[in-house]
Amino acid sequence: DGGITQSPKYLFRKEGQNVTLSCEQNLNHDAMYWYRQDPGQGLRLIYYSQIVNDFQKGDIAEGYSVSREKKESFPLTVTSAQKNPTAFYLCASSIGSGDLYGNTIYFGEGSWLTVV
Amino acid sequence: GQQVMQIPQYQHVQEGEDFTTYCNSSTTLSNIQWYKQRPGGHPVFLIQLVKSGEVKKQKRLTFQFGEAKKNSSLHITATQTTDVGTYFCAGRNSGNEKLTFGTGTRLTIIP
Repeated sequence: DGGITQSPKYLFRKEGQNVTLSCEQNLNHDAMYWYRQDPGQGLRLIYYSQIVNDFQKGDIAEGYSVSREKKESFPLTVTSAQKNPTAFYLCASSIGSGDLYGNTIYFGEGSWLTVV
Repeated sequence: GQQVMQIPQYQHVQEGEDFTTYCNSSTTLSNIQWYKQRPGGHPVFLIQLVKSGEVKKQKRLTFQFGEAKKNSSLHITATQTTDVGTYFCAGRNSGNEKLTFGTGTRLTIIP
């Protein structure tokens, strides 16, 4: 089955530790995204990538880092610099971005990160 | 930067009643998309609107894009328990790859 796989689904982290969330897609999509979801604030874009070896900061990139070494993979690292990392993280992909008429975004199941 | 607001933030309706959520952008949009997120789930694409004044229907759901392409609405007729969830609009500016999501409207149904 084609889709987006995020892991782990639940993750606990101690303050001061970095943690990496995995995102893999087998949809052959060029564009991939990371969103953060907090109650009452909708989805906020952290980073996005339109092509392998290239990525851009979204609206809330501080304290996060990403890499795009392979088309199908877009891992997100939540660093100790992120002041309030507890949230629901959603990885997503689309055929491509920059198209005037847009592309449908497909989301993974999400990862719950809790800092303890 | 671009802002996309939705109202109301929460809506409780009796089963069978209608429901409407409104989406407003601070800038003119090239297109707008709507997504539904079930409780505990992830957002799922519903529809995309591109043309000024466009209206699209999916069974009991009616989507509308404003004439100025700065606002949109989703109307559900005769709600059912399966309609429970959070509805997000997402807008894209011309020449901008980023899709900005609205704040969402959480719909709960009272049986």
